[in-house]
Amino acid sequence: KAGVTQTPRYLIKTRGQQVTLSCSPISGHRSVSWYQQTPGQGLQFLFEYFSETQRNKGNFPGRFSGRQFSNSRSEMNVSTLELGDSALYLCASSLTGEVTDTQYFGPGTRLTVL
Amino acid sequence: GQNIDQPTEMTATEGAIVQINCTYQTSGFNGLFWYQQHAGEAPTFLSYNVLDGLEEKGRFSSFLSRSKGYSYLLLKELQMKDSASYLCAAPPGGYNKLIFGAGTRLAVHP
Repeated sequence: KAGVTQTPRYLIKTRGQQVTLSCSPISGHRSVSWYQQTPGQGLQFLFEYFSETQRNKGNFPGRFSGRQFSNSRSEMNVSTLELGDSALYLCASSLTGEVTDTQYFGPGTRLTVL
Repeated sequence: GQNIDQPTEMTATEGAIVQINCTYQTSGFNGLFWYQQHAGEAPTFLSYNVLDGLEEKGRFSSFLSRSKGYSYLLLKELQMKDSASYLCAAPPGGYNKLIFGAGTRLAVHP
């Protein structure tokens, strides 16, 4: 079974631009979560989607948004990019979306904001 | 609130045993996860503990004490490829999200 895939793998943007990242979960997985990883803050939860609904949201500004499609694929969008948004953005999927379910991570999208 | 603490760095010798500790405080407890992350790669799942005690999986074992808010990951017969960051994570009560510790960077030397 294929793992979680994320596209693109690398992105370079300039301040003020917006960006859309894509995530395809493991086949059959219904929950998709997004995380931001930086050297200073580590791995931080952004949001979680289940059945096209955002169920949980982390402590990030409204510039960060996402959505999930009926096939469980998910996208996240960051508008008005800031230098501090440079990070590795990781997507994780889980089968049932239960709180005790294991989350499996994709390879991430490395975003650089200049 | 949620807080997960683990040592920042550890070093060990190839063939040895190393124990990576994690202490946690979460609102509600739904188990504790350990992930391994090699530089530049995605975290990969190692173990999940929800009951007290030791769970063994080959060279890796994970221990949990709920009363003490404490877990550890035990790596035996260390290999060079075990050089990586080890992340302790827990889902806060009722929410399908993971709160991660800062990670422990393990360096295995010959």
